[in-house]
Amino acid sequence: SQQGEEDPQALSIQEGENATMNCSYKTSINNLQWYRQNSGRGLVHLILIRSNEREKHSGRLRVTLDTSKKSSSLLITASRAADTASYFCATDLTGGGNKLTFGTGTQLKVEL
Amino acid sequence: SAVISQKPSRDICQRGTSLTIQCQVDSQVTMMFWYRQQPGQSLTLIATANQGSEATYESGFVIDKFPISRPNLTFSTLTVSNMSPEDSSIYLCSVGAGAKETQYFGPGTRLLVL
Repeated sequence: SQQGEEDPQALSIQEGENATMNCSYKTSINNLQWYRQNSGRGLVHLILIRSNEREKHSGRLRVTLDTSKKSSSLLITASRAADTASYFCATDLTGGGNKLTFGTGTQLKVEL
Repeated sequence: SAVISQKPSRDICQRGTSLTIQCQVDSQVTMMFWYRQQPGQSLTLIATANQGSEATYESGFVIDKFPISRPNLTFSTLTVSNMSPEDSSIYLCSVGAGAKETQYFGPGTRLLVL
């Protein structure tokens, strides 16, 4: 399977704390995308980082990419209860025709 | 970004029947994809549906079970045929903004097969 691995599988933190999720993949990529899913609903696109980029920011989100280690991380700073969701990384593999291969996901719970 | 709608949003079906899921996009797109998300799992690609060509299925998925239509650049359907309880999943369509670009997802169709 080409599916990437994410860790942790589940993460529970207090509001205001930072949350870090990690994603590892297996082969060469064009880009890596992070998505959020609330309670089994549709996926919300968070951020795309290209293979030639190392870090990207969007609001309270910070994504890093290390192509030598085939890994990425998503940092959510100053978390809020509304950040409670499942987070997935997805890789657009080189030569893959733009289809995405999803990681196993991290369930984040932010408690008040 | 593309706005994508899916119909139905959810359905409960009897085993042995078929359900057709519609995906509508507010702009013309070349690439459309269909994914399945089984309960508590991540997303798995079923097939790529590009307008003007036959759908390309991933390993483990076949056209007889999941026939796909792509009649134009804004619309696609996925049929889940001869359903069994194992087909209970969320089915999502997505569109690519372009090669190597962001993919946007529809809200999903939650299917329960009894």
